[in-house]
Amino acid sequence: AQRVTQPEKLLSVFKGAPVELKCNYSYSGSPELFWYVQYSRQRLQLLLRHISRESIKGFTADLNKGETSFHLKKPFAQEEDSAMYYCALSGRGGATNKLIFGTGTLLAVQP
Amino acid sequence: AAGVIQSPRHLIKEKRETATLKCYPIPRHDTVYWYQQGPGQDPQFLISFYEKMQSDKGSIPDRFSAQQFSDYHSELNMSSLELGDSALYFCASSLGGSARNQPQHFGDGTRLSIL
Repeated sequence: AQRVTQPEKLLSVFKGAPVELKCNYSYSGSPELFWYVQYSRQRLQLLLRHISRESIKGFTADLNKGETSFHLKKPFAQEEDSAMYYCALSGRGGATNKLIFGTGTLLAVQP
Repeated sequence: AAGVIQSPRHLIKEKRETATLKCYPIPRHDTVYWYQQGPGQDPQFLISFYEKMQSDKGSIPDRFSAQQFSDYHSELNMSSLELGDSALYFCASSLGGSARNQPQHFGDGTRLSIL
């Protein structure tokens, strides 16, 4: 079964502290993984996708197929990083790829 | 840049009424996805369309139907509304077919409240 697990509902850190948002997945085949962010009262926005292997707003995420993980990391958290973060898996369905979301982690960065 | 447009932003209905949600994709996007996000829940996939044809179906109740029109906009029709249908309904658009690995772009959502 295709599934995404985010074990932490809430992660609270102080400004300047390192951040790691955990994501584990279950998928048969080669997965396509994403991190989406939802700032307060705003739409879901794509933050990262694993095939891009890029850093956005200081965030990085590496796909670890052995551990079936795609954790999101940032070395120094900023207050403006406070938001809801969703890890998502792209599941194949014909001509379209639906997203299977984790339950999300609320990141709260304290001043 | 143009984004995904959803209307209305908010909708209040009573039980057993009907509702129609609309989604206008980013220009040149041929694929639309609908997701439902209940209070405190993660978004759940409902249905998707590619080139005006239904492509994939998720946990969408039989009381709901959807279609994609010739201009690629999509409508989600909901009938016999129940209290449990209260949720935020997101639409996302992207390219499909051979380009289906392109990321999805989300609208602001329609918040549906059933009284």
